[in-house]
Amino acid sequence: AQSVAQPEDQVNVAEGNPLTVKCTYSVSGNPYLFWYVQYPNRGLQFLLKYITGDNLVKGSYGFEAEFNKSQTSFHLKKPSALVSDSALYFCAVRDGSGGSYIPTFGRGTSLIVHP
Amino acid sequence: DTGVSQDPRHKITKRGQNVTFRCDPISEHNRLYWYRQTLGQGPEFLTYFQNEAQLEKSRLLSDRFSAERPKGSFSTLEIQRTEQGDSAMYLCASSLAGSTSGVRYYNEQFFGPGTRLTVL
Repeated sequence: AQSVAQPEDQVNVAEGNPLTVKCTYSVSGNPYLFWYVQYPNRGLQFLLKYITGDNLVKGSYGFEAEFNKSQTSFHLKKPSALVSDSALYFCAVRDGSGGSYIPTFGRGTSLIVHP
Repeated sequence: DTGVSQDPRHKITKRGQNVTFRCDPISEHNRLYWYRQTLGQGPEFLTYFQNEAQLEKSRLLSDRFSAERPKGSFSTLEIQRTEQGDSAMYLCASSLAGSTSGVRYYNEQFFGPGTRLTVL
């Protein structure tokens, strides 16, 4: 079984400050980890993924995420938040060891960036 | 715009009616997924296709739900005898899976804008 936890329903940050959106996962095999962003009335857009290699992954719009195997975490980060980053963020995991190709999504974290 | 389109964007229907949604994936993508999303939740997997073959279905997918991808391109999701609990956003996603010259594709999904279903 696989699961994702996004412990914060909402994250508030001031524009220009660094932001972190937290994600922890559980998977029996090798984790493939993803972050998606959803703007109002739009579908999910892919931000970045971790498959293997460097623990720090860089993605779209200046976002990055750090894979931490010992803490089973994959937190999303950005050094300087923009008001336009305000959206709903979803973390997802799937087992990369074979079997099902179905990812499991977290419940989402609403990011609000204040001017 | 991710390149995945869905039609209609909104559907309002009365309980007991049948509805059908369409998804057009990115043309070279061989995998197509259907999800359901309700307010405050992440997408919940319903079913997926590799080319025209439906390979996996969630236990969420009752026998009132059926999906097809007849030529391995577009897909339809039909809900028969709709219930108020079917009200949700239905999302379609596509991805490219496989390998070329020993290089495997680790496939992120590209999502359409969704079809919002309201059952009265």
